[in-house]
Amino acid sequence: RKEVEQDPGPFNVPEGATVAFNCTYSNSASQSFFWYRQDCRKEPKLLMSVYSSGNEDGRFTAQLNRASQYISLLIRDSKLSDSATYLCVVGGSNDYKLSFGAGTTVTVRA
Amino acid sequence: DVKVTQSSRYLVKRTGEKVFLECVQDMDHENMFWYRQDPGLGLRLIYFSYDVKMKEKGDIPEGYSVSREKKERFSLILESASTNQTSMYLCASRRGGLAEQFFGPGTRLTVL
Repeated sequence: RKEVEQDPGPFNVPEGATVAFNCTYSNSASQSFFWYRQDCRKEPKLLMSVYSSGNEDGRFTAQLNRASQYISLLIRDSKLSDSATYLCVVGGSNDYKLSFGAGTTVTVRA
Repeated sequence: DVKVTQSSRYLVKRTGEKVFLECVQDMDHENMFWYRQDPGLGLRLIYFSYDVKMKEKGDIPEGYSVSREKKERFSLILESASTNQTSMYLCASRRGGLAEQFFGPGTRLTVL
């Protein structure tokens, strides 16, 4: 079983729509959670960290459900510029390395 | 502004050549990583280092080696390049604990 699993999509949505997707993680001892964004042929960049209480950053909302071991990302009022692959990332406090999901592709159309 | 730099954005090498990919970070991070990324396979960890002169194998170390002589620099070495090592190579660094990871811009390596 993969450590982090994501629905690969693609999620194809019109501008202005809301899109949401989850990822699940297998290690119940995980302590750190992130969403990264990766544009085509570019490096992944941190979109937001995910906190236990959930957090928002503008149009982006991240939630953590420890009991069910999943993280979610919701994008409101989608923009064309939100088209990207979103990587779910999980780590333990004692781990040197993070575990990356394979990514969920979102395409926002005009 | 934090920065991870890689020596080349694009590289073309021939089968059997020895290839060096260099990565430098200016954040005084303990941990550094080398990944490769291929379509449909996501990020795969090749090697990582948690301190100077320390290295650990990742998920796909075969055909690669690494060197970390200074804290800020982590090198990936392909001893004898093969066509199946054509890929995007991404270097990253991380402070550790609950911190996020920072990536370099990547090196797109083509082995002919």
